[in-house]
Amino acid sequence: QKEVEQDPGPLSVPEGAIVSLNCTYSNSAFQYFMWYRQYSRKGPELLMYTYSSGNKEDGRFTAQVDKSSKYISLFIRDSQPSDSATYLCAITNTGNQFYFGTGTSLTVIP
Amino acid sequence: NAGVTQTPKFRILKIGQSMTLQCAQDMNHNYMYWYRQDPGMGLKLIYYSVGAGITDKGEVPNGYNVSRSTTEDFPLRLELAAPSQTSVYFCASSYLQTLEQYFGPGTRLTVT
Repeated sequence: QKEVEQDPGPLSVPEGAIVSLNCTYSNSAFQYFMWYRQYSRKGPELLMYTYSSGNKEDGRFTAQVDKSSKYISLFIRDSQPSDSATYLCAITNTGNQFYFGTGTSLTVIP
Repeated sequence: NAGVTQTPKFRILKIGQSMTLQCAQDMNHNYMYWYRQDPGMGLKLIYYSVGAGITDKGEVPNGYNVSRSTTEDFPLRLELAAPSQTSVYFCASSYLQTLEQYFGPGTRLTVT
């Protein structure tokens, strides 16, 4: 069983839409949850991270963790064409070994 | 401040050849990581290092070797390249055990 699973999409939305990206994970011991954005042919960049359950907001981005169902989400409000990228979820317990989802490809259409 | 740099950007290897992927960071980060990214497979951790002289295996270490003689550099060595090692390789670094990893631009390797 994979440590983390992510719907690969692709996802295509009109500009201004609310986007929901999701991952599930298998081991309840994982405590840290991250979202990365990766533009085509570039390295990933960290968007947000959360510890344990709850919500964290940063501008148009909200990360949500539900540890009871082992489910993590990233919401993007008022999506922009510049948000078009692949979004990767990642989890870790120790900060040494990180497990990444396969990524969801998002296109925001102007 | 260049961040994390990787060389080369692209490389084609023949089966059985060897090469070293270079990674350097100028942020004085303790932790450094090597990942490979295959289409539809996400990032897989190959090796990581928590400081000079200390390395450990990740999820997919077979066929690779690393060394960390300085804080700045973390080269990845491929011995006897195989087609299964065709991938995009990313190096990353972070300060201590924080969650914010800074990634390099990647090396695209093809083994034929």
